Amino acid sequence: EAQVTQNPRYLITVTGKKLTVTCSQNMNHEYMSWYRQDPGLGLRQIYYSMNVEVTDKGDVPEGYKVSRKEKRNFPLILESPSPNQTSLYFCASSFGGDQPQHFGDGTRLSIL
Amino acid sequence: TQLLEQSPQFLSIQEGENLTVYCNSSSVFSSLQWYRQEPGEGPVLLVTVVTGGEVKKLKRLTFQFGDARKDSSLHITAAQPGDTGLYLCGPNFGNEKLTFGTGTRLTIIP
Repeated sequence: EAQVTQNPRYLITVTGKKLTVTCSQNMNHEYMSWYRQDPGLGLRQIYYSMNVEVTDKGDVPEGYKVSRKEKRNFPLILESPSPNQTSLYFCASSFGGDQPQHFGDGTRLSIL
Repeated sequence: TQLLEQSPQFLSIQEGENLTVYCNSSSVFSSLQWYRQEPGEGPVLLVTVVTGGEVKKLKRLTFQFGDARKDSSLHITAAQPGDTGLYLCGPNFGNEKLTFGTGTRLTIIP
């Protein structure tokens, strides 16, 4: 089954404790991206990657890092999480930025 | 950053009624996707529109892409409770960076 898998689905942690949210896709997509979704602000793109070893900033990259060492994986790293990064995060993949995005089921992150 | 607006932000109507939601921008889209998102899940693609003036139908849903390619609409006929969800437009402005609207939260009352 074609899917984008995010882990964990839920995480409660404390300020400053490094965390990684993993994302994996099995559709051989070149393009992958991360979004955060906040009430009233919609989906905002954090980072995107057009292929292995190619990443670029979206609209809200501050406080986040990503890596794309393999085509199927695109982890989101919060080196020093802060409460304003409490949000619902989505990973998505596609064959290109202008192609339909396939989304994961989301990761709800709470930073205390 | 391109400005993108979806309206209305919230809509609550009775089952069987018709409705239209809108996606408008200050810039020209090269293409646009509409997605529906249900609670606890990621957005799911409904349709892609590419050509100015294009109309696509998906059962009771009709999608229109404006002639100037700066706006799009989604019309639902005879709404049903299963149509409840958050409707998002995701235009592409000809680059790899993606912008989504804030969405229309639709509730259909049985």
